Amino acid sequence: EVQLLESGGGLVQPGGSLRLSCVGSGFTFSSSAMSWVRQAPGKGLEWVSGISPAGGDTPYADSVKGRFTISRDNFKNTLYLQMNSLRVEDTAVYYCARKTSGAAPFDYWGQGTLVTVSS
Amino acid sequence: EIVMTQSPATLSVSPGERAALSCRASQSVSSNLAWYQQKPGQGPRLLIYGASTRATGIPARFSGSGSGTEFTLTITSLQSEDFAVYYCQQYHNWPPSTFGQGTKVDFK
Repeated sequence: EVQLLESGGGLVQPGGSLRLSCVGSGFTFSSSAMSWVRQAPGKGLEWVSGISPAGGDTPYADSVKGRFTISRDNFKNTLYLQMNSLRVEDTAVYYCARKTSGAAPFDYWGQGTLVTVSS
Repeated sequence: EIVMTQSPATLSVSPGERAALSCRASQSVSSNLAWYQQKPGQGPRLLIYGASTRATGIPARFSGSGSGTEFTLTITSLQSEDFAVYYCQQYHNWPPSTFGQGTKVDFK
């Protein structure tokens, strides 16, 4: 059974930092492209960043470029999102999601972790 | 960036009835269109990809159609577990992959 388990969310002040993690199991993590997708309270889905299976390709949404960094450790089956210079508008549930290739749907999603940016 | 527009925002349906949800792309995405279902407190679940192919384990009452810029998700004979929010997503021009704003299917 495929599982994606996010962690690391919490309350942080504007300008602060947070690192999210997502552990994958039940599939070959090292062969899967991964992404972070977020959902602000009561809003729709917004793709944040993605990473290729080997980690060499890491696109970002314009809204987070220069502030967030995506990475992965294929030995630990873990995806990361380092979030710096956080803003109130970054408040959202952050989901990790898997897809089989670059241009493909997200076939598995985690349950999400809530990030709240507030003073 | 391709903009995805879903309609209606809310669809009120009775159990056993048919629901048709629309999704329009601002430019052609060919058949690179997916539909997801999301229930409160849960991550989205992939229903349809390639505009019309059901994902693993998805019941036959869910079907997708369309290509280019106009797409439809049809749910025949709605069950109680189908009341949720549905999102379309294009993955034709990536990055970024873009989602519609969602259609909530609720009880009439």
